[in-house]
Amino acid sequence: NAGVMQNPRHLVRRRGQEARLRCSPMKGHSHVYWYRQLPEEGLKFMVYLQKENIIDESGMPKERFSAEFPKEGPSILRIQQVVRGDSAAYFCASSSVAITNTGELFFGEGSRLTVL
Amino acid sequence: EDKVVQSPLSLVVHEGDTVTLNCSYEVTNFRSLLWYKQEKKAPTFLFMLTSSGIEKKSGRLSSILDKKELFSILNITATQTGDSAVYLCAVGHNAGGTSYGKLTFGQGTILTVHP
Repeated sequence: NAGVMQNPRHLVRRRGQEARLRCSPMKGHSHVYWYRQLPEEGLKFMVYLQKENIIDESGMPKERFSAEFPKEGPSILRIQQVVRGDSAAYFCASSSVAITNTGELFFGEGSRLTVL
Repeated sequence: EDKVVQSPLSLVVHEGDTVTLNCSYEVTNFRSLLWYKQEKKAPTFLFMLTSSGIEKKSGRLSSILDKKELFSILNITATQTGDSAVYLCAVGHNAGGTSYGKLTFGQGTILTVHP
């Protein structure tokens, strides 16, 4: 049973380019969360999605960041016009309906974005 | 603003030592407290605590929650080099009558176990 799959694992972009990070949740999980981990800091919630719906995007920066979880395919976190401060590890997590209430999440191995 | 604070930030011990990691929190709509272990990749789930005073145990690891004093501890006995990792504490929230995986994380405790 594959876990949460994220790709790419490492991504290098120059300032002003776009970054797209993909996440396939665990089989049977319909809830996806994106977290960001800046150097020397803890994980920070960004957005919570279910299929075709954004449930809570209170942690997303107001500009340049967007997320989607289409009916088919992986969830995508998109960062437009990247800046150096976007360099971080972006973790995706998933949960099933049954465990959502407990807050227990299953994390992917992260996508490490470096902006030059 | 919701806050989760872990201490110490880093800890260096030798194999066989016992360690205690601390996590205090000030959050709205508390639902659960979770501990994760993060090696150089995905955080992996250790414990979830919802009730005060009930110890959760898994092998050499154990954890307890105090909802009155708003803190939790994670104990690791007879530490091994494989316990070296970042230990993350997180709080799960109720939101609008339901709850979901919006967790507020502490900054982590870096544990290093020397042979």
